[in-house]
Amino acid sequence: EIVLTQSPATLSLSPGERATLSCRASQSVRSYLAWYQQKPGQAPRLLIYDASNRATGIPARFSGSGSGTDFTLTISSLEPEDFAVYYCQQRSNWRTFGQGTKLEIK
Amino acid sequence: EVQLVESGGGLVQPGGSLRLSCAASGFTFSSYSMNWVRQAPGKGLEWVSYISSSGTAIYYADSVKGRFTMSRDNAKNSLYLQMNSLRAEDTAVYYCARGEDCDFWGQGTLVTVSS
Repeated sequence: EIVLTQSPATLSLSPGERATLSCRASQSVRSYLAWYQQKPGQAPRLLIYDASNRATGIPARFSGSGSGTDFTLTISSLEPEDFAVYYCQQRSNWRTFGQGTKLEIK
Repeated sequence: EVQLVESGGGLVQPGGSLRLSCAASGFTFSSYSMNWVRQAPGKGLEWVSYISSSGTAIYYADSVKGRFTMSRDNAKNSLYLQMNSLRAEDTAVYYCARGEDCDFWGQGTLVTVSS
C-alpha cells in the first residue's frame, strides 16, 4: 500500500498570505496525485488532478506541482473561504488518501 | 447538473448487514468509473472501493475485502455497496464519488455500527 504523508498537520495563516502544503508518497505515484478541499459538514471537492491540473471551476490561486514522490499544493493568496482541510490522494496503485492538513486562520 | 445521492445508511448491530445505494443523474453514468469513500467521525478520508465503468473491474481496500461488495446497474444509473459482517470501525459517512479522479461527490450517508 502506498502511504501518503501530508505536512504540516496544521497550518496557521492570515488571509492574503501564501499557503504551501506538502504531500509525500512512500513510493512513486508518477503524476497520479489529486488534491481535495473539505469544509465542515460538506463533501470533499476536487481541486487538482494529475498533480498540476486544476479541476473545473477552481480559481487560479490554487496550483499543484510535483511528480514521483513529492507534491505541493500552493494557494497564492488566501481568501477567507480557503480555510478548510486539504487531502491528497494517489491513484497510481489502488487509491489512498493522506491524513489531511488543516488550514486555519491565524 | 451532476448529482450523486447516497441512501441506505442507518444504525446496525455488529455483525449485521446494510446495502448502500448511490443514484446518479446529470451525466452519462455508464461512461464513468465510480468509487466509495468513507470518513469516520472526526477522521480523515478512506478509500473503500472502485468499480470500472462497465463493472468488470472492482477493487477493494484491505480493510473491507471479503466483507463488502460493490456493484452497479448502468440501466438504472445506480451504484451499490453491500456491507456484511459490519464492525464498529466501519462507522462512518459513506460517499460515492465519480470517476478516476473523484471529481464529483455525493453528500454522504451515515452508517453507525453499534449495539
